[in-house]
Amino acid sequence: EAQVTQNPRYLITVTGKKLTVTCSQNMNHEYMSWYRQDPGLGLRQIYYSMNVEVTDKGDVPEGYKVSRKEKRNFPLILESPSPNQTSLYFCASSPTSYEQYFGPGTRLTVT
Amino acid sequence: GQQLNQSPQSMFIQEGEDVSMNCTSSSIFNTWLWYKQDPGEGPVLLIALYKAGELTSNGRLTAQFGITRKDSFLNISASIPSDVGIYFCAGQRNTGNQFYFGTGTSLTVIP
Repeated sequence: EAQVTQNPRYLITVTGKKLTVTCSQNMNHEYMSWYRQDPGLGLRQIYYSMNVEVTDKGDVPEGYKVSRKEKRNFPLILESPSPNQTSLYFCASSPTSYEQYFGPGTRLTVT
Repeated sequence: GQQLNQSPQSMFIQEGEDVSMNCTSSSIFNTWLWYKQDPGEGPVLLIALYKAGELTSNGRLTAQFGITRKDSFLNISASIPSDVGIYFCAGQRNTGNQFYFGTGTSLTVIP
């Protein structure tokens, strides 16, 4: 089944404790992105990648890192999470530059 | 960052009614997209628009790419209960993978 998977789906952590949210797609898509979704703000793009080893900042990249060492994986790294990074995070992958398939989301709480 | 203004913020309608929502931007986009998000899931692409003035349908959904390239509209005809969800517009300036999302329209359909 073609899909985008994210792990974990739910995470509660403390300020400053490094964490990684994994994203994997099995559709051989070139493009992948990370978004955060906050009430009243819609989805905001954090980082995107147009191919292996090619990543670019989106609208809200501060406090986040990504890597794209393999085509199928695009992990999101929070080196030192803070409470303002409490949010719902979505990974997406695309066969083209516009048609995105979203994962199920990861709900992160930073206390 | 880029702001897309989406209205209305929420709608409560009777089953069978038509629905209209729109999205405006302060800058020009080359691609407009409309997504639907069901509770607890990631957004799903409904319609993609690539040319100013373009009118595209997907079943009971019709979307238009505004002539100025700064707005887009989505209409849903003869609403049904499964239309319930949050509808997001998204804009893309260039080919690449950077997107800007609207704040969403929450639709409730009363049977």
